Amino acid sequence: QVHLEQSGTEVKTPGSSVTVSCRASGGNFKRDGISWIRLAPGHGLEWLGNLVPRSGVGKYAREFQGRVSITADTATDTVYMELKSLTSEDTGVFYCAREAGLGESQFDFWGQGTLVIVSS
Amino acid sequence: SGGLTQPPSVSVSPGQTATITCSGDRLGDLPVSWYQHKPGQSPEVVIFEDYRRPSGIPQRFSGSSSGNTATLTISGTQAMDEGDYYCQTWDNMAMFGGGTKLTVL
Repeated sequence: QVHLEQSGTEVKTPGSSVTVSCRASGGNFKRDGISWIRLAPGHGLEWLGNLVPRSGVGKYAREFQGRVSITADTATDTVYMELKSLTSEDTGVFYCAREAGLGESQFDFWGQGTLVIVSS
Repeated sequence: SGGLTQPPSVSVSPGQTATITCSGDRLGDLPVSWYQHKPGQSPEVVIFEDYRRPSGIPQRFSGSSSGNTATLTISGTQAMDEGDYYCQTWDNMAMFGGGTKLTVL
């Protein structure tokens, strides 16, 4: 059974950056694609991007390109998502999720979510 | 291609059938997944590859796809089915529909 454990709540000021971590266990970390997805008030679920740790290959959504960076530490089975130039519109819950099978498929396991609050 | 379009809300009486649609360009060529999201919980996939149901998901959940529209059907809807439902597909990037709030009156 795959388990994704995310870091805790973050409170940030506008213009700053946030990094959220997602530690995986029970799966094949290096092979599995991991996506980051945000739930923001009034916006529903939004995909930010993904990464396959083994290859280091990933993609970013056009809406977040240039502001988001996803990296992995294969020694600790952890994926990181950094979002820069935060505004109040970035307030929301950020989830990491595993892509089933060979990737770019359904998200079958999700982290518990990390609340990010952007406020002055 | 544009995004995925869902109705903002659907209401249904207990025991009745709830139908949630998702439309988008090229959707007929792309596999669709559906997620249920309840407050305070992480989203959960209830349908993948248009109609497949993960283990543990009740049989009352079914999916179909025709043309550029995918449909999630919940037969014999129960109060516990209330929540937000999102369709999702991959077209080089992952994309989600805007979500449908299901209310069981």
